[in-house]
Amino acid sequence: SQTIHQWPATLVQPVGSPLSLECTVEGTSNPNLYWYRQAAGRGLQLLFYSVGIGQISSEVPQNLSASRPQDRQFILSSKKLLLSDSGFYLCAWSADSEEKLFFGSGTQLSVL
Amino acid sequence: SQQGEEDPQALSIQEGENATMNCSYKTSINNLQWYRQNSGRGLVHLILIRSNEREKHSGRLRVTLDTSKKSSSLLITASRAADTASYFCATPTSNTGKLIFGQGTTLQVKP
Repeated sequence: SQTIHQWPATLVQPVGSPLSLECTVEGTSNPNLYWYRQAAGRGLQLLFYSVGIGQISSEVPQNLSASRPQDRQFILSSKKLLLSDSGFYLCAWSADSEEKLFFGSGTQLSVL
Repeated sequence: SQQGEEDPQALSIQEGENATMNCSYKTSINNLQWYRQNSGRGLVHLILIRSNEREKHSGRLRVTLDTSKKSSSLLITASRAADTASYFCATPTSNTGKLIFGQGTTLQVKP
């Protein structure tokens, strides 16, 4: 069966520090991978998605970047965090576009 | 841009009652999906209804889709305290297929 791992669960970082969130998927090959951000009590904002190794599409201009160094690994990064980067970050995968997503457990990021 | 929007934003009911949440969307879709999120957790897929379907059931869940009105509803029958969560509808964008989520409905079921 397929599983998705996302870590860490919580993270407190000072403004200006770097960020690296990692997500890995097991039990499937060539998944579509997604990073979403959720502000408190709000819906999900799609940040990045990837249909293959090295193929990254960015949805919104921001302080963040994403990479897919391996088929089932998706990394969200920042060189210098801003206060506005705080939020709940969710990684997800799907077998194909338009089909259902499987989400990780999320990372609560607080930038202070 | 927001594709799906849920209504109401918040709903509070007693255990045993039915809960109905609505979702409206803007463009043509191939399918519409409903997800559930417990506080501080990831989203869990509940049900997917395709554009050629009008109604779909899964346990105590019933989803309807009206493509002429660009709307969908999620009905939870005989609600339980464990149903307390946020519920989101999601639709794929027309040109890329990426899922866009609404703002969600927060459901509280009181024991």
